[in-house]
Amino acid sequence: EVQLVESGGGLEQPGMSLRLSCSASGFIFDEYAMHWVRQAPGKGLEWLSGISWNGADIGYADSVKGRFTVSRDYAKNSLYLQMNSLRPEDTALYYCARSRLYCDRTNCQGRWDYYFYYLDVWGKGTTVTVSS
Amino acid sequence: EIVLTQSPATLSLSPGERATLSCRASQSVNRNVAWYQQKPGQAPRLLIYDASSRATGIPARFSGSGSGTDFTLTISSLEPEDFAVYYCQQRSSFGPGTKVDIK
Repeated sequence: EVQLVESGGGLEQPGMSLRLSCSASGFIFDEYAMHWVRQAPGKGLEWLSGISWNGADIGYADSVKGRFTVSRDYAKNSLYLQMNSLRPEDTALYYCARSRLYCDRTNCQGRWDYYFYYLDVWGKGTTVTVSS
Repeated sequence: EIVLTQSPATLSLSPGERATLSCRASQSVNRNVAWYQQKPGQAPRLLIYDASSRATGIPARFSGSGSGTDFTLTISSLEPEDFAVYYCQQRSSFGPGTKVDIK
């Protein structure tokens, strides 16, 4: 069964750090790009970050650029999100998701914003609360 | 960055009725649009990709159309399990969602 399981969420104070993990199973992890998407309470979906199948291309939303870092471990079939300098507005349910990456230009390598992707498998999410 | 707008914000319909949801992009995105369904307490589920291709296991009552800046998700005859929030997506942008609720 194809599955993504997030962990690492919790309550943290503003300015502190958290590291989220996403464990993948049931598919060949290094054939897929992986993403983090969050949903604040009662709000819509916000894409945060993505990493290509080989880790060479990475993208971030402006809202987290410079504070969050995405990485992946092929030996552990895991995706991570290191979240630093947390803010109250980071309070949300954090999902990991997988996708293929598609390129409709001559070459997309090195330009995350040139890829397009569809998130076909999602985890159930892990909750992050940032509050003093 | 492309901005996606969805209309209406809420669609109140009865089971068996047809639902038509709209997604408009701030600039042309060819056909690179997906639609997702999200039910309360659940993760989103991919319904449609490439504007009109149904994802694996998605019933035929769901269909997508459009290209350029205007896209439509149609549910031909609403089943009780279809009452949910629907989001469109293009690259890193999601629309704000359309809630389909029971009239």
